[in-house]
Amino acid sequence: DTEVTQTPKHLVMGMTNKKSLKCEQHMGHRAMYWYKQKAKKPPELMFVYSYEKLSINESVPSRFSPECPNSSLLNLHLHALQPEDSALYLCASSQDPGQGFNEQFFGPGTRLTVL
Amino acid sequence: AQSVTQLDSQVPVFEEAPVELRCNYSSSVSVYLFWYVQYPNQGLQLLLKYLSGSTLVKGINGFEAEFNKSQTSFHLRKPSVHISDTAEYFCAVIHTGGGNKLTFGTGTQLKVEL
Repeated sequence: DTEVTQTPKHLVMGMTNKKSLKCEQHMGHRAMYWYKQKAKKPPELMFVYSYEKLSINESVPSRFSPECPNSSLLNLHLHALQPEDSALYLCASSQDPGQGFNEQFFGPGTRLTVL
Repeated sequence: AQSVTQLDSQVPVFEEAPVELRCNYSSSVSVYLFWYVQYPNQGLQLLLKYLSGSTLVKGINGFEAEFNKSQTSFHLRKPSVHISDTAEYFCAVIHTGGGNKLTFGTGTQLKVEL
């Protein structure tokens, strides 16, 4: 299984809602990533988890809250978002964060629209 | 600091013609270099990577790229494109010793026409 899955595929939410994005991989990878991608732009790194611990937070607003309950699962909890947070949210995973370069495998993304 | 420049935001090309997508990088340390492809409404797929060794790297779908250290370039080429190659292409770098943090270029939209 060389796949990263993300649910839901599409999400529409109001500014007062609380929702969560889910990412899963069964490749035994120990690093997982969240990226945000606006239309016609490259992905921007948000968070990195290494061995289930948050290792990088790229100064992301607190209305985005990541969680890594186990080595296969990564969540992104959303609360009080703004319309400008509408984007494609990509999850990725890689094998061993402590061993030099490891290819990142990307999921298909969740298309988020904030009304 | 490292950065990646993709000067061409759009490249139109006719089917079966050759194509080159340009990528230049700047970094004060050694880098690993990558090309990713993103089809509409999909995630990113790795086309090819340069880590070390031979400067000519072959990837999937008939693409290849050449690492040129003196010109700090990593241009992507394909001798004959197909309609299905229409997609967004991102060049990216990781600098050695910098963990696994990818820095992406701004992307090039390849549009293959009949």
